[in-house]
Amino acid sequence: DIQMTQSPSSLSASVGDRVTITCRASQSIRTYVNWYQHKPGKAPKLLIFAASNLQSGVPSRFRGSGSGTDFTLTINSLQPEDFATYYCQQSFSAPYSFGQGAKLEIK
Amino acid sequence: QVQLQESGPGLAKPSETLSLSCTVSGGSISSTSYYWGWIRQPPGKGLEWVGSIHPTGSTFYNPSLRSRVTISIDTAKNQFSLNLKSGTASDTAVYFCARLAYDGHPISYYFDYWGQGTLVTVSS
Repeated sequence: DIQMTQSPSSLSASVGDRVTITCRASQSIRTYVNWYQHKPGKAPKLLIFAASNLQSGVPSRFRGSGSGTDFTLTINSLQPEDFATYYCQQSFSAPYSFGQGAKLEIK
Repeated sequence: QVQLQESGPGLAKPSETLSLSCTVSGGSISSTSYYWGWIRQPPGKGLEWVGSIHPTGSTFYNPSLRSRVTISIDTAKNQFSLNLKSGTASDTAVYFCARLAYDGHPISYYFDYWGQGTLVTVSS
């Protein structure tokens, strides 16, 4: 099975900051990685699919990049509504697996 | 706008079967352009994919749960369901249902719509 490791597991930032979350796969997964945002009690939200494709309706301040084993999610100009937990997920092969999450908190 | 809503008992006894349903609105579950699936999150832990089903009935499951899990689909009700046999405390989790979309060349899979999740506790 493919393991997905995110870092950091938690981070704090201020409104207006730029933050980067990384995700490393245990083997090459080409560009088969997706990113989700999750707030407590809410449905997780797809942000980025296939490493760098912005899901319809997602603000352009979210950007995904990477290929092979190393991927990043960058959020430019943080907004108050962006404070949440972010997960990467590989769809290269089943069983699909997720990173452990990166909790973004307000500084 | 597609919406998914999980339903089912919030409490199950050890060794019994955990059963949940997911009702889809705003779109047809019969569309062959999508799979449908279940993901769970134990308290304080990460997300775990449980399994997925296509409207044709084709299923694929997480090998760690394959011997205990069945996912079925009811196109007449626009619902799909999860049965997890022989529940234990380690099955206590928030269970999410989600739509699994696929497109592109090469084909990429991603969960584009999710339910809010429902907590199932396995305890006597």
